[in-house]
Amino acid sequence: DAGITQSPRHKVTETGTPVTLRCHQTENHRYMYWYRQDPGHGLRLIHYSYGVKDTDKGEVSDGYSVSRSKTEDFLLTLESATSSQTSVYFCARSGTNSSYGYTFGSGTRLTVV
Amino acid sequence: QQQVKQSPQSLIVQKGGISIINCAYENTAFDYFPWYQQFPGKGPALLIAIRPDVSEKKEGRFTISFNKSAKQFSLHIMDSQPGDSATYFCAASKSGSARQLTFGSGTQLTVLP
Repeated sequence: DAGITQSPRHKVTETGTPVTLRCHQTENHRYMYWYRQDPGHGLRLIHYSYGVKDTDKGEVSDGYSVSRSKTEDFLLTLESATSSQTSVYFCARSGTNSSYGYTFGSGTRLTVV
Repeated sequence: QQQVKQSPQSLIVQKGGISIINCAYENTAFDYFPWYQQFPGKGPALLIAIRPDVSEKKEGRFTISFNKSAKQFSLHIMDSQPGDSATYFCAASKSGSARQLTFGSGTQLTVLP
């Protein structure tokens, strides 16, 4: 999707296991974000990054961590998955310096059983 | 704290009709207001956006109306088509915030043929 890909697309995991979702962009955009989408809640920001090794918490960061060791990759880790983390996760990158528009990946549907 | 409130949750419109979705925000520091369109199984895609220095922006059949004093903005879809059936999200962000977007809860639009 316009230079941003997420993997895996679907994952089922067991409660208590760690899970890592990957986001990859093909351009050198500075800002990247992880959101979760749940019915009735829209999209809620989990973590975001403003550069390599520069990350910060969003609205719903508890139970999640992120890493960005390269400009193009932004990883989201669920340290010990819980059923409340069953959701669709979207990665996004911001536009150029003159544009605030986000480009989203296609999402990862995560089910925690 | 829900900083962007969106209504209605769902909307059914006849083909050729006008679809109207409303959003209200609380934070007066917000200075960028985009709308995103999302089809099932896809990530949200930027549809149209406005800044508070104008009261209206039109792109094709899509128009944003912005009322700064009321802290409200709305999306109007003229001549609605079945292909417009999707979920629409309003959002807002402020300068100097790493361009974090705060999203509304979404409106599921169905356009009947």
